[in-house]
Amino acid sequence: DSGVTQTPKHLITATGQRVTLRCSPRSGDLSVYWYQQSLDQGLQFLIQYYNGEERAKGNILERFSAQQFPDLHSELNLSSLELGDSALYFCASSVAPASGRNTDTQYFGPGTRLTVL
Amino acid sequence: AQKITQTQPGMFVQEKEAVTLDCTYDTSDPSYGLFWYKQPSSGEMIFLIYQGSYDQQNATEGRYSLNFQKARKSANLVISASQLGDSAMYFCAMRETNTGNQFYFGTGTSLTVIP
Repeated sequence: DSGVTQTPKHLITATGQRVTLRCSPRSGDLSVYWYQQSLDQGLQFLIQYYNGEERAKGNILERFSAQQFPDLHSELNLSSLELGDSALYFCASSVAPASGRNTDTQYFGPGTRLTVL
Repeated sequence: AQKITQTQPGMFVQEKEAVTLDCTYDTSDPSYGLFWYKQPSSGEMIFLIYQGSYDQQNATEGRYSLNFQKARKSANLVISASQLGDSAMYFCAMRETNTGNQFYFGTGTSLTVIP
């Protein structure tokens, strides 16, 4: 158990809908990262937050948005869902942002499996 | 160009033997971190080992060691005394600072340990 929690574990929805994925980082971790893992795209970095502020942006679609709240939990919002959005969505946390030291080691949550029908 | 390259889609190793999983990376950033993760069939991503670009010695964590060859830009994972529970997907990853602290993952290597 990494200490990172994600809810829900599974989510089934229809095209065009909007969903929210939730992540709670490990105790003491200030950085949260979101990833999408699909069969054809592999593991793609979406976005990173550090202590409530956006820190880095990867291959995140405009239909997707995220935020980190004062209690450090994070939510990933996916809207206007398409069939291709079906994937495993991971949240990860680390103590600090990139520092060149092992404090940027990321610990992953169990993931949310999203199925868009 | 790919930031992280894992050229072995699948590997087999006999139980109790050592195995090396290859990883090469591409960066011009002097400050970067390299990571290996294990993803068993259950789906979770498990952190195994970290190597910083300025670390002088190769990282080791139990049966895992990282063969860091900076000039060749390779960061191979060595698993010693393989166990059946080592069967999983293994991902190499890099964090670099000059692209806004983005993280890059390789496509993974599927390791199967044979009894």
